[in-house]
Amino acid sequence: GESVGLHLPTLSVQEGDNSIINCAYSNSASDYFIWYKQESGKGPQFIIDIRSNMDKRQGQRVTVLLNKTVKHLSLQIAATQPGDSAVYFCAENIQGGSEKLVFGKGTKLTVNP
Amino acid sequence: NAGVTQTPKFQVLKTGQSMTLQCAQDMNHNSMYWYRQDPGMGLRLIYYSASEGTTDKGEVPNGYNVSRLNKREFSLRLESAAPSQTSVYFCASSPRGGGQYFGPGTRLTVT
Repeated sequence: GESVGLHLPTLSVQEGDNSIINCAYSNSASDYFIWYKQESGKGPQFIIDIRSNMDKRQGQRVTVLLNKTVKHLSLQIAATQPGDSAVYFCAENIQGGSEKLVFGKGTKLTVNP
Repeated sequence: NAGVTQTPKFQVLKTGQSMTLQCAQDMNHNSMYWYRQDPGMGLRLIYYSASEGTTDKGEVPNGYNVSRLNKREFSLRLESAAPSQTSVYFCASSPRGGGQYFGPGTRLTVT
């Protein structure tokens, strides 16, 4: 079946460096993507979303890039801080809304001081 | 604006007991969802409700029932708990065409 996956299960960076978390999706009909952050013991937190008619979207210290040609999504975090340490999930939706999302298993980001 | 709230935060049940997990949102969202999260499995959809009065099965509905009481509230019921239902349960809500916002979760252990 269709699924959202991640290239790396863990990522370790130094404080102040930029982080890049990757996600591959297999459903070419997916038209809406979301990145979530989940800290230990908490619920997933919405970070940023992007629709398939865009290839880049920026938020506060975060940028999401979408490459539909190779079905690849990435989350870039600028000047990574210890508070960014968490598991990051990508999710995709193929219905133009969010009635059902398919989630990746997540990448654990560790920021070293 | 509390967002999505869930009760209880923690629960321990014996096999065969029943319980209801409560969820409420104050964002006037149309859609609401129940997920379970297990180590190595990611988030799996149990049930969802696209609007008040409608519910649909997700990926893992067996052993669960839901009620969309009104636009704000969406409850999940375990009629006869089993150890396989030990998990962390998350409720989420979303506006039409928007992203899902999650509650803090309920950690359930079934012994």
